[in-house]
Amino acid sequence: DQQVKQNSPSLSVQEGRISILNCDYTNSMFDYFLWYKKYPAEGPTFLISISSIKDKNEDGRFTVFLNKSAKHLSLHIVPSQPGDSAVYFCAATPNTGNQFYFGTGTSLTVIP
Amino acid sequence: GAVVSQHPSRVICKSGTSVKIECRSLDFQATTMFWYRQFPKQSLMLMATSNEGSKATYEQGVEKDKFLINHASLTLSTLTVTSAHPEDSSFYICSARGAAGATDTQYFGPGTRLTVL
Repeated sequence: DQQVKQNSPSLSVQEGRISILNCDYTNSMFDYFLWYKKYPAEGPTFLISISSIKDKNEDGRFTVFLNKSAKHLSLHIVPSQPGDSAVYFCAATPNTGNQFYFGTGTSLTVIP
Repeated sequence: GAVVSQHPSRVICKSGTSVKIECRSLDFQATTMFWYRQFPKQSLMLMATSNEGSKATYEQGVEKDKFLINHASLTLSTLTVTSAHPEDSSFYICSARGAAGATDTQYFGPGTRLTVL
């Protein structure tokens, strides 16, 4: 049962434009959400996170938005750069327990 | 940010041999370590969760006798693939959960590419 879903397996964006990656979850117990970036043959790298008490968190070019009522979060990258081309995973963790639940990833390609 | 290392980064072995992969948190104590497997063009698949000093918790469908996990200290976890077969060839990634600065998150190792001939 996939509790965290990324319905778009891939996304292509022109350099300089905004990239929007989406993530949906089903478990209302999730209270902390994260985005990771992954290059081929490397481990994921933590990008940005958001607690359920917030609806927005911004860090440089990266902004994560959380809509708890819709059980939806999104990652905005603006402006997009070719170096942002990678697979992006969203993850969620409940307020009890240790496990992080990952989405299936979205492959972002930023076209120069 | 926090650093997690994995060793080796790449290993090629013959079918039937055992392979040990080490995962270390270098600058923080990890309360929990996780082992993932990634197949080409697929998501991370959680294999098991290990807490220091206790037995690992395996996900459904993961053979605990085949994938031995030892979490000897707060900075070291090992995954041993016993009697490896070609279908075990994959990219194995460990992660460590801990608080580094203000963020409680998982920090991932660089991964180990296992090829079983």
